[in-house]
Amino acid sequence: DVKVTQSSRYLVKRTGEKVFLECVQDMDHENMFWYRQDPGLGLRLIYFSYDVKMKEKGDIPEGYSVSREKKERFSLILESASTNQTSMYLCASRLGQATNEKLFFGSGTQLSVL
Amino acid sequence: GDSVTQMEGPVTLSEEAFLTINCTYTATGYPSLFWYVQYPGEGLQLLLKATKADDKGSNKGFEATYRKETTSFHLEKGSVQVSDSAVYFCAFLYNFNKFYFGSGTKLNVKP
Repeated sequence: DVKVTQSSRYLVKRTGEKVFLECVQDMDHENMFWYRQDPGLGLRLIYFSYDVKMKEKGDIPEGYSVSREKKERFSLILESASTNQTSMYLCASRLGQATNEKLFFGSGTQLSVL
Repeated sequence: GDSVTQMEGPVTLSEEAFLTINCTYTATGYPSLFWYVQYPGEGLQLLLKATKADDKGSNKGFEATYRKETTSFHLEKGSVQVSDSAVYFCAFLYNFNKFYFGSGTKLNVKP
């Protein structure tokens, strides 16, 4: 089965730090996504990528950037972390763009910004 | 705009009770519909899906039917188990890679 691995399960950072969240998938999927999950708000899309070096903004890209230098790896970058970025971050991947293709999720990174 | 509305939780049931979690969507056209489940400490995983009107998705005793007339995709299970305790997310796929997720419904099943 597809495995989506997020590098850290828990992360604690200070305000103003630059933060990197890493995600790797092992099934040659074209599409990769970063979501944040907050209580009562569900999942909100930050960025997604449909190919190496290609990216698209999601619904809440402000304060974030992404990098996809290799097909299997998709990084989320918080240029200057702020307390309102404390959240659970979920990475996901998807093979193609057919309507019946599902998302595969990693187990998440709980980020706390102090 | 496009959105998913699902019933707020938590929902607490006794083992073997009947479960319904309501989900309605607002979208242009006819999206594909999904239920994802998140067990404690894990990422989301697909529970079931339906890609066209009147399709019924089913898995692990859970069912949901794509109702175009009411724009709904309610999740049901006839007899829940303690192991079903999790957070359930309704979602739809619209416009290639754009998934819309509901806010999630936490289910607690007591023995």
